Amino acid sequence: GAGVSQSPRYKVAKRGQDVALRCDPISGHVSLFWYQQALGQGPEFLTYFQNEAQLDKSGLPSDRFFAERPEGSVSTLKIQRTQQEDSAVYLCASSPQREGNIQYFGAGTRLSVL
Amino acid sequence: AQSVTQLDSQVPVFEEAPVELRCNYSSSVSVYLFWYVQYPNQGLQLLLKYLSGSTLVESINGFEAEFNKSQTSFHLRKPSVHISDTAEYFCAVTHTGGFKTIFGAGTRLFVKA
Repeated sequence: GAGVSQSPRYKVAKRGQDVALRCDPISGHVSLFWYQQALGQGPEFLTYFQNEAQLDKSGLPSDRFFAERPEGSVSTLKIQRTQQEDSAVYLCASSPQREGNIQYFGAGTRLSVL
Repeated sequence: AQSVTQLDSQVPVFEEAPVELRCNYSSSVSVYLFWYVQYPNQGLQLLLKYLSGSTLVESINGFEAEFNKSQTSFHLRKPSVHISDTAEYFCAVTHTGGFKTIFGAGTRLFVKA
């Protein structure tokens, strides 16, 4: 398919465990975004990449959160020492550079920390 | 700083009735405005956008939204809803020239037969 792909779709982690969430953007899209969506809320911005450069990481909640996009395509969001408050849906979106910031979203990864 | 307020968390409506989902934003700079829709177990999809030009924008499935700069609003309307319109709708804003998008908390539209 030609859409944004995220894996896994569901992840259950024990508190303190490290997790890695993957995002495959639409081919050729230079911009990539990560969002956190808590239950009953809208997506909250986490971080933004333009190609491999992380231009904004102001939304990452703590230094336990780390994102990378080493070759300007696939991105990984890593959460170290997960806490219960990290439970949420993590959304990835990609965007072509000149479309007025229209974003194309993946289906998300639902993370549950027990 | 920008913010987006969706005034209704849930809107129940009967099939074929009109509906309005309200969105107000605050920003000190020019913005782009969006409505995204999220169907159950799916990702967000763009419904319509205002970038520039005509303040009334339309989607292919009958929704429309009007950018009102003086009232800082971007309400979403449809004259006659279908069962299949049941979904969560998110209003979003990005300042022009930027990339950081701020979303509202969402409005759950529930269309009843």
